[in-house]
Formats: sequence, structure tokens, C-alpha cells
Amino acid sequence: DGGITQSPKYLFRKEGQNVTLSCEQNLNHDAMYWYRQDPGQGLRLIYYSQIVNDFQKGDIAEGYSVSREKKESFPLTVTSAQKNPTAFYLCASKGDRGHQPQHFGDGTRLSIL
Amino acid sequence: AQSVAQPEDQVNVAEGNPLTVKCTYSVSGNPYLFWYVQYPNRGLQFLLKYITGDNLVKGSYGFEAEFNKSQTSFHLKKPSALVSDSALYFCAVRGGGFKTIFGAGTRLFVKA
Repeated sequence: DGGITQSPKYLFRKEGQNVTLSCEQNLNHDAMYWYRQDPGQGLRLIYYSQIVNDFQKGDIAEGYSVSREKKESFPLTVTSAQKNPTAFYLCASKGDRGHQPQHFGDGTRLSIL
Repeated sequence: AQSVAQPEDQVNVAEGNPLTVKCTYSVSGNPYLFWYVQYPNRGLQFLLKYITGDNLVKGSYGFEAEFNKSQTSFHLKKPSALVSDSALYFCAVRGGGFKTIFGAGTRLFVKA
């Protein structure tokens, strides 16, 4: 079945450490997204990519970085510059027509050790 | 700029009663509107969308939504709530380019 796979499910970060969250999709979608969700809150856009080798900052990009070397993959790195990284991170992808919905992975929960 | 508002943080309903989760929007041009549901520790799942045509849109799990252009609303409805419908519901609107603008979410509690 087609879908989006995020790994790991749970991740712990030490002080000063960079960590990378994986997101892979086999839906053949061009567009991919990373969101941050804090407890009881909505989604905030971190980065998005409309096509391979191109990506744009979202609303809260500071302290995060991404790459898009392959259509299927859009990894997110949470750097040590992100001082409050504890959150639920969601990856999504979307087809190329405006009326198509986004498809989401099951998230990665990042916590600080 | 496109925006979407969900005026209720939480909705409580008894099992078997009808439910409504409210959403209002602001867009320039024709709106593409969506509803998603999120269960604990899971990603969002698509429920239904409005593009054009009939104002009553039917979706997954018995949910439907009513598009009202004059009131700029897109309320989610279900005739008979189930305990298993308890979840976090998000209204969304297509933003600029490939972006989607999400509301803050409404938590639905269905009591047995």
C-alpha cells in the first residue's frame, strides 16, 4: 500500500546534539512538508518542498534544516540551535493538484534528555 | 491571505446525538476546503473536501460537511455520534502555492 513512513516513532535528543527525522513516501508526490505540533495545539509549518532539490522555509524554520535529494525522501534535522525541540513532528506529502489533500505519516515524538 | 478559524476548542456530545464541529474561512477566490481527523499519537487522516458543486459534501466514516458561501463556513457534521469518533478535528484551506492552512483544531468528546 502507498503511504508515508516516518521513523523513528520516538527520539531523544541530548543537549547540543543534532538529530535527524526520516520521512519516506511511495505515493509519487512532488510536494512534501514538515509540521510541528505542540500538545493540544495545531500544526505549524517548518519547511516544505515542491520538487526535488528545492525547498522553502515555513513559519518556524529557525533551528531546523532539510534536504530533498530524492523525490521519495525529505529528512528533517533538528539542530542544537532549536532550543525547545520537544514536540510531535509530522511529515506529509501531496499530489500536484490544488484540490488534493495532504497525506500524513504517523509522526515522530521528540523529547529532550 | 487565506485563513481558517475553529471557534471551539472542545465539543462534547452524547453517543447517538448529532454532532457539529464549526469552521469558518477567509480566502480570495474559490475555496478548497478540507477536514482531517487525528487520533492520539497518529498523523492526520483526510475525511472530506469541498472543491465546487453541491454544498453538502459526504466523506469517510459517515461524516459530512456543509459549505455555506454567504457565511464563509464549512461545518463538519454527523447525524449520530459514536464514542470512537472522539478525536481531534482540523479544518483546512488551500493556501498559496502548495501550502495548506490548518485551523487550531477542535477536540471532540463523545460520551457513552
